[in-house]
Amino acid sequence: DTGVSQDPRHKITKRGQNVTFRCDPISEHNRLYWYRQTLGQGPEFLTYFQNEAQLEKSRLLSDRFSAERPKGSFSTLEIQRTEQGDSAMYLCASSSQGLNNSPLHFGNGTRLTVT
Amino acid sequence: DAKTTQPTSMDCAEGRAANLPCNHSTISGNEYVYWYRQIHSQGPQYIIHGLKNNETNEMASLIITEDRKSSTLSLPHATLRDTAVYYCIVPRSYNTDKLIFGTGTRLQVFP
Repeated sequence: DTGVSQDPRHKITKRGQNVTFRCDPISEHNRLYWYRQTLGQGPEFLTYFQNEAQLEKSRLLSDRFSAERPKGSFSTLEIQRTEQGDSAMYLCASSSQGLNNSPLHFGNGTRLTVT
Repeated sequence: DAKTTQPTSMDCAEGRAANLPCNHSTISGNEYVYWYRQIHSQGPQYIIHGLKNNETNEMASLIITEDRKSSTLSLPHATLRDTAVYYCIVPRSYNTDKLIFGTGTRLQVFP
């Protein structure tokens, strides 16, 4: 069971630096999602892709955030000019379109700390 | 998503049944109830989902009331590894991909 893989697991960066996270979904899944989670809160939806198309973006996704899924497989989430408020767990999930109510499968996240 | 209400926390003795309630009084007729859980330092894990009938799998049972305004997730023999935050989610039928998580119920299983 390869599951959803995220890299790195932890990232510490200084304010103002750019960071990029990677997500490898379950291989046959064509939908991919990014969520953000801060301490004590449930995950918050950021964006999702169907194949390489980005179908929805949350208002939480400011201009400093960009997500890509160029070949419809892995995805990257980049944060430019990081701020301390960006410190959070960034979660990736994948699912299969076409299966009724296919559940989301989550990775174990990338924990970002901005100092 | 249809608004859900869950208790903030619950305790359960190891080996006993853990029954986690969820209210979703604004649920529409074709909207499913999903349960996920999140163990510390891990991503959320899908548990079960249902529409009208009760559902059971290897992890848990889901009991949905006849009027569908509430449901209960039942872990029949809780173990210490079931200690987690449990989320009840009712995504809108037109956008089942976009799960909106609340703060869930923190279940503590004690020896």
